[in-house]
Amino acid sequence: EVQLVESGGGLVQPGGSLRLSCAASDFTFSTYWMTWVRQAPGKGLEWVADIKPDGSEKYYVDSVKGRFTISRDNAKNSLYLQMHSLRAEDTAVYYCVRGQWGDYWGQGTLVTVSS
Amino acid sequence: DVVMTQSPLSLPVTLGQPASISCRSSQSLVYSDGNTYLNWFQQRPGQSPRRLIYKVSNRDSGVPDRFSGSGSGTDFTLKISRVEAEDVGVYYCMQTTHWPPITFGQGTRLEIK
Repeated sequence: EVQLVESGGGLVQPGGSLRLSCAASDFTFSTYWMTWVRQAPGKGLEWVADIKPDGSEKYYVDSVKGRFTISRDNAKNSLYLQMHSLRAEDTAVYYCVRGQWGDYWGQGTLVTVSS
Repeated sequence: DVVMTQSPLSLPVTLGQPASISCRSSQSLVYSDGNTYLNWFQQRPGQSPRRLIYKVSNRDSGVPDRFSGSGSGTDFTLKISRVEAEDVGVYYCMQTTHWPPITFGQGTRLEIK
């Protein structure tokens, strides 16, 4: 069974940084695009970023460009999201998602940006 | 960016009755390869989203056959033939035809009357 397990969320002050991780298992991670999707409390789903299987292409929603970096380590079956200059509006549950079509989702990790 | 508009945003339904959710895109979702990349997701309370339908009408493994997807171009529909208690939650449409960015509808909250 495909598993995606996120970690690294927590409380951070505005302007701070955080690195999210996603451990993937039971599929050939290195052959899939991977995606981060977030959901602010009580709100809908928002695509954040995605990355090509070999890491050579990365795409971001405009609101995080220049602040967030998506990356992956195929040897470790892991996906990452490095977040800098965090704002209150980045507060959300961040989901790791397999592919761009979203066939498998992790349980999410909560990021709270607050002073 | 492609805007996805769902209606209704709230959907009270009696158990055993049908339900229908509409999703409209601001431009055609037909890709150059002839496919239409429109998916539907269900998010039950307190859970992660789960994909139900991909490429307009293809049901994912394990999804009950009471769920069906249809549509073309800019107009799409998710139908539940007979609503059950476990269907309560929020339903989202998502397009990946015109990526980046991938965009979602606002969500439709289904509740039992």
